[in-house]
Amino acid sequence: EPEVTQTPSHQVTQMGQEVILRCVPISNHLYFYWYRQILGQKVEFLVSFYNNEISEKSEIFDDQFSVERPDGSNFTLKIRSTKLEDSAMYFCASSEAKGGNTIYFGEGSWLTVV
Amino acid sequence: GNSVTQMEGPVTLSEEAFLTINCTYTATGYPSLFWYVQYPGEGLQLLLKATKADDKGSNKGFEATYRKETTSFHLEKGSVQVSDSAVYFCALRSGGSYIPTFGRGTSLIVHP
Repeated sequence: EPEVTQTPSHQVTQMGQEVILRCVPISNHLYFYWYRQILGQKVEFLVSFYNNEISEKSEIFDDQFSVERPDGSNFTLKIRSTKLEDSAMYFCASSEAKGGNTIYFGEGSWLTVV
Repeated sequence: GNSVTQMEGPVTLSEEAFLTINCTYTATGYPSLFWYVQYPGEGLQLLLKATKADDKGSNKGFEATYRKETTSFHLEKGSVQVSDSAVYFCALRSGGSYIPTFGRGTSLIVHP
């Protein structure tokens, strides 16, 4: 079964440092997403990406965040200057079509900012 | 706006017990409703879905009925197994957006 893979599974970083979370979506998928879940809270949408540009983003996705598809297989989320409140599980997802009923998620990357 | 409210966990049950995980929603228009499951060490997987009122989604012994009158989509299973231990997420997608809105997830722990 095809799967979305994410790295690292867990990262600890100091406040103010830059972090890059990596994702390899399923190979024939065209739409990519990032979600996050702060411990004990809801899974929140951050951004969706299609055709090498952002197609939707939430108010959480401010200037400290950016996404990129640098090489046709990886899909990255960069947090420029991490804050304590960025500590969360970050989920990458992909789908074949826009709003396709089946959105495939990775297992998540835990980010802990200290 | 859209929102999903799930019962708080963890829900702890013995094997073969009956499971209900409550989910209610607020949405504009007529949403599609979903349950996702995350097993330990894995990503979220679509478990079942329902796209209109009174539809029943089912998969792996789990069921949920789209109740428009109570804006609910409760997940049920008649007899849980240890292997059902996971986190269950209720989600919706309304006609205006293709982006799913999730609840906070409910952890289910099943003891032998």
